[in-house]
Amino acid sequence: EVQLVESGGGLVQPGGSLRLSCAASGFTFSYFGMYWVRQAPGKGLEWVSYISSSSSTIYYADSVKGRFTISRDNAKNSLYLQMNSLRAEDTAVFYCARDRVWGSRGAVDAFDIWGQGTMVTVSS
Amino acid sequence: DIQMTQSPSSLSASVGDRVTITCRASQGISNYLAWYQQKPGKVPKLLIYAASTLQSGVPSRFSGSGSGTDFTLTISSLQPEDVATYYCQKYNSAPLTFGPGTKVDIK
Repeated sequence: EVQLVESGGGLVQPGGSLRLSCAASGFTFSYFGMYWVRQAPGKGLEWVSYISSSSSTIYYADSVKGRFTISRDNAKNSLYLQMNSLRAEDTAVFYCARDRVWGSRGAVDAFDIWGQGTMVTVSS
Repeated sequence: DIQMTQSPSSLSASVGDRVTITCRASQGISNYLAWYQQKPGKVPKLLIYAASTLQSGVPSRFSGSGSGTDFTLTISSLQPEDVATYYCQKYNSAPLTFGPGTKVDIK
């Protein structure tokens, strides 16, 4: 079964840091670009970041640029999001998602597989 | 950056009704447009990509059309299980912006 499982969410104080992980299974992780998407409570979807299959292409939303870092370890079938200088407005469910296209080499596409999400709460 | 808008923001329709949701991009995005369905408390699900291509396993009552700046998602016969919020998303280039969503419920 194709599956993505996020972990690492929790409660953190403003200005703090958190590292999210996404464990992939059921497909060849190293062939696909990956994304992070977030959803604040009661709000819509917001794309956060993208990393290509080889990590050669990375994009960030302006709202997180300079504070968040996306990375991946293809040997461990894992995607990461290092989040620093967290703000109250970063409070959200964070989803990892898979690029629809196999071997797209940095060309973004739609997101065909989503994890269940992990909740990040930034509050004092 | 290209902005995505959707209309209406919410709608209520009867079972069996034809439902149409509109998505507009502030600049042309060719057909790099996806539609997602998010049921209450659930994870988003890809319905349509490339503006009009149905994702595998999605019921045929869903269809998409459009190119450039104007796109539509149509549900030909609304079913109770279609109660959800629907989002469009552009993916011609980063940022991969989502529309604000359209909430659909049953009258």
